[in-house]
Amino acid sequence: QSVLTQPPSVSGAPGQRVTVSCTGSSSNIGAGYDIHWYQHLPGTAPKLLIYANTNRPSGVPDRFSASRSGTSASLAITGLQAEDEAAYYCQSYDSGLSGSVFGGGTKLTVL
Amino acid sequence: QVQLQESGPGLVKPSETLSLTCTVSGGSVNSAFYYWSWVRQPPGKGLEWIGYISYSGITNYSPSVKSRVSISLDTSKNQFSLRLSSVTAADTAVYYCAKVVLQASGYEYYFDYWGQGTLVNVSS
Repeated sequence: QSVLTQPPSVSGAPGQRVTVSCTGSSSNIGAGYDIHWYQHLPGTAPKLLIYANTNRPSGVPDRFSASRSGTSASLAITGLQAEDEAAYYCQSYDSGLSGSVFGGGTKLTVL
Repeated sequence: QVQLQESGPGLVKPSETLSLTCTVSGGSVNSAFYYWSWVRQPPGKGLEWIGYISYSGITNYSPSVKSRVSISLDTSKNQFSLRLSSVTAADTAVYYCAKVVLQASGYEYYFDYWGQGTLVNVSS
């Protein structure tokens, strides 16, 4: 049971927009700690997608964006492409655990 | 660009100690303000942070493994290592090493570079 809750799967057709939610609590997202997002293809190194809530590292397309509100956060992917098919994870800090926590991951399927 | 590569046994017996090494290239493990971490992913589950070590040797561990874990630096080989004692089947996972970016708060952080991971099975 992950501290941050994500839907197990989402799907969308090429060109569409999808969102991935990440729900936490008052000891992590609700406390205002930054949220980060990762993209992970099986057998490869996870890739930093969004850091500090809304920032994209160099090389990440602007099709990827993120937002937050209250105890939740969302990752949005627009103009869906086949290469976006991967697992997506959110991550934040938890004051109760005094360390980093992740979501359980969401598998994106491009139809 | 920093690159990380995990190495170590793929099979560990229950009650024994799991030992993994992460070799870093493109950066020095004792460069000021660099932190290094281990993260694992049990089969079919999400990512779990294990702990980190700073360039100066300061460590911070997840409460879930704190009594059994140790992370250390080997600056001569530009590596850092994980030791997890008294392992059980629950410790079976893909283990990733990652470079940490410590944020201005001093306690929030994220992971900007990761290794490809290594699967460790705990089984007799």
